[in-house]
Amino acid sequence: EAQVTQNPRYLITVTGKKLTVTCSQNMNHEYMSWYRQDPGLGLRQIYYSMNVEVTDKGDVPEGYKVSRKEKRNFPLILESPSPNQTSLYFCASSITGEGYGYTFGSGTRLTVV
Amino acid sequence: SQKIEQNSEALNIQEGKTATLTCNYTNYSPAYLQWYRQDPGRGPVFLLLIRENEKEKRKERLKVTFDTTLKQSLFHITASQPADSATYLCALESPDMRFGAGTRLTVKP
Repeated sequence: EAQVTQNPRYLITVTGKKLTVTCSQNMNHEYMSWYRQDPGLGLRQIYYSMNVEVTDKGDVPEGYKVSRKEKRNFPLILESPSPNQTSLYFCASSITGEGYGYTFGSGTRLTVV
Repeated sequence: SQKIEQNSEALNIQEGKTATLTCNYTNYSPAYLQWYRQDPGRGPVFLLLIRENEKEKRKERLKVTFDTTLKQSLFHITASQPADSATYLCALESPDMRFGAGTRLTVKP
């Protein structure tokens, strides 16, 4: 089944403790992206990647890192999480970055206390 | 500033009627416009894409129009069913993807 898999689904952590949210897609998509979704603010792009070893900032990149060493994986790293990073996170992929629908993962609900 | 506005936070309609959702944008020149469905706590699901040179697109009970002069897209669900209840998001590619905040549709039996 074609899908984007995110893990974990839920995560509660403490301020400052480094964490990684994994994202993997099995569709050989070139484009991958991370979004956060907050009430009243909608989906906001954190980082995106046009292909392996190519990443770029979205609208809200502060406090996040990403890497794209393989085509299928695009992990999101929070080096020192803070409470304002409590949110619902989605990974998405697309054949290319333009003109195709995105396939989203099921989401990761992160709480930073 | 750039804005994407979906004109209703919530829309309630009776089963069998046509639901019409609106997406207006300012200071964008999108090459593509997309519509997604999102259920609570789940990831958005792609429904339809329409290109800037297309006026209308259909898929089963769904119809999307795109008016680049008015800077507006309309999303219609005909013969609506309670299972259509969800939040619907519009998204613009210009060239990065930007999403509206969504309209929560409730279809009552």
